[in-house]
Amino acid sequence: QKEVEQDPGPLSVPEGAIVSLNCTYSNSAFQYFMWYRQYSRKGPELLMYTYSSGNKEDGRFTAQVDKSSKYISLFIRDSQPSDSATYLCAMTTGFQKLVFGTGTRLLVSP
Amino acid sequence: SQTIHQWPATLVQPVGSPLSLECTVEGTSNPNLYWYRQAAGRGLQLLFYSVGIGQISSEVPQNLSASRPQDRQFILSSKKLLLSDSGFYLCACFVYYTEAFFGQGTRLTVV
Repeated sequence: QKEVEQDPGPLSVPEGAIVSLNCTYSNSAFQYFMWYRQYSRKGPELLMYTYSSGNKEDGRFTAQVDKSSKYISLFIRDSQPSDSATYLCAMTTGFQKLVFGTGTRLLVSP
Repeated sequence: SQTIHQWPATLVQPVGSPLSLECTVEGTSNPNLYWYRQAAGRGLQLLFYSVGIGQISSEVPQNLSASRPQDRQFILSSKKLLLSDSGFYLCACFVYYTEAFFGQGTRLTVV
């Protein structure tokens, strides 16, 4: 079993839709949870991070962590074509070894 | 702010040839540095990480090695490339516990 599971997609939505991206994990020691966005042929860029359980909002993006279910989510409101990218979840126990999901490819059509 | 320089951006190498990818970091001192490989549909696989000069930890057995000759320099090497070494190689630097910054990557094709 992989430590972090993420549906690879692709996930196709129309412009303006609410997008839900998810990851599950098996290691209960993970405490820091991150979402990265990666455009084609580029390095990942950090979108959001949360510590432990709870929600965090930043503009159109909301990150949720449910440690009891070992489940994290990223919601994108009013999705735009420029949001089309691969979204990677990542997590760490705090000793700076990030474990990544495989990434979900998102396609937002105009 | 931190900046990670990686080069070259693309590389095509024959099987059996050597490899050297370089990563340098600006804007921080004594960073933790990482090499990841990203294969299509398989996410990012941690290859090596380093917490200081000369300190290298390997995550998976493979045909690659890493070195850190200076505080802000991290090098990924191979003596003889295999076809399976093809992929997108990313250097990363951690700031605090949560913020990992990535370089723009090197796309390696072994032919």
